[in-house]
Amino acid sequence: GENVEQHPSTLSVQEGDSAVIKCTYSDSASNYFPWYKQELGKGPQLIIDIRSNVGEKKDQRIAVTLNKTAKHFSLHITETQPEDSAVYFCAASGAGTALIFGKGTTLSVSS
Amino acid sequence: DTEVTQTPKHLVMGMTNKKSLKCEQHMGHRAMYWYKQKAKKPPELMFVYSYEKLSINESVPSRFSPECPNSSLLNLHLHALQPEDSALYLCASSLLSRGTNTGELFFGEGSRLTVL
Repeated sequence: GENVEQHPSTLSVQEGDSAVIKCTYSDSASNYFPWYKQELGKGPQLIIDIRSNVGEKKDQRIAVTLNKTAKHFSLHITETQPEDSAVYFCAASGAGTALIFGKGTTLSVSS
Repeated sequence: DTEVTQTPKHLVMGMTNKKSLKCEQHMGHRAMYWYKQKAKKPPELMFVYSYEKLSINESVPSRFSPECPNSSLLNLHLHALQPEDSALYLCASSLLSRGTNTGELFFGEGSRLTVL
């Protein structure tokens, strides 16, 4: 079955800096890679996703890149703000299969 | 309306109690999910319903009993739970396209369960 590794487990940056979180997956059949942000006391919220037919996707300050050959994908947040502080989860799934989550990254943005 | 609504938000129960968690969505999603999340851990899949039929049961103990009365509602019935079952229980839904999961999961805010 699919296995998703996520690094780092914690990340501290200064406001305005960039943050990068990396994930690797094991199943070459996986074709959908979402990123979720979870704030304290709330459910995970989808912030960006990418499918295997695309190499990069950007939405304002957030971008995701996918390298299918190496089986890894990354989340890039530019110009970080204190409200970006949260736990971020990457995940992977294939057609008809359930999402498998990485262990999460706690991002702290200090002003 | 892009919400998944879960009730109650908090629940405290004894090990002999019977309680239920409820989830509702009106996005027309035909796949609904229960996840369990412990502190500082990722969500763990428990059950998946596709077109109101149970399609995945991840070897969850029988003290957790899911039910999908219709395409908008999902329940999780709880009975004889253990203290280690204390966790955040998340409901999610996703669109099915020609019977295949499109992948995008929409989560509710969760029900925080404490078992005494």
